Amino acid sequence: GAVVSQHPSWVICKSGTSVKIECRSLDFQATTMFWYRQFPKQSLMLMATSNEGSKATYEQGVEKDKFLINHASLTLSTLTVTSAHPEDSSFYICSAPGALAGDNEQFFGPGTRLTVL
Amino acid sequence: GEDVEQSLFLSVREGDSSVINCTYTDSSSTYLYWYKQEPGAGLQLLTYIFSNMDMKQDQRLTVLLNKKDKHLSLRIADTQTGDSAIYFCAEKAGGYQKVTFGIGTKLQVIP
Repeated sequence: GAVVSQHPSWVICKSGTSVKIECRSLDFQATTMFWYRQFPKQSLMLMATSNEGSKATYEQGVEKDKFLINHASLTLSTLTVTSAHPEDSSFYICSAPGALAGDNEQFFGPGTRLTVL
Repeated sequence: GEDVEQSLFLSVREGDSSVINCTYTDSSSTYLYWYKQEPGAGLQLLTYIFSNMDMKQDQRLTVLLNKKDKHLSLRIADTQTGDSAIYFCAEKAGGYQKVTFGIGTKLQVIP
């Protein structure tokens, strides 16, 4: 199946700093990517839909100025957590619909674990 | 809005069958998924079923869909210790590609 990668796989940062997380579709193009966050022992919550060439669509309650999304190309979307605080510590996962499978399947990255001290 | 519910925990003995249940509310759900997440890892798609199907079987996995009751189940035959993980039920409605996840069922397999 299609492969989605994320970088970094884990990051520890100080409170107040910004952290950038990359999501890449390795062998297919993705005009749309999705960013989720997962708190410990909880489900995945959709944060935003990243659209290549246009602004991201954020879910209700997600601060767009805090979680900056840039879909720079058909294979790369980035999520920047600005002025990170300890409550932003979470597991961030991106996904992309698989082009070859139509819109049936979502391919997920391995996730990025963010810890804010 | 969409809502997906599943039980939090299931414990089975190795070799037995596991059945994980899920209910959803969105009647326009087109695709229903089962994902597996091992500790500290991302999501692995196990299987999915179209809403116009009642059953799908893939090796040890059997998915049953009762569209009338909006109930989805995943049966794992001959459960192995390597099946221990969290299993997420998820649904996608229509052509919009947002996927809504349940809270996940933690499957513990006892040797």
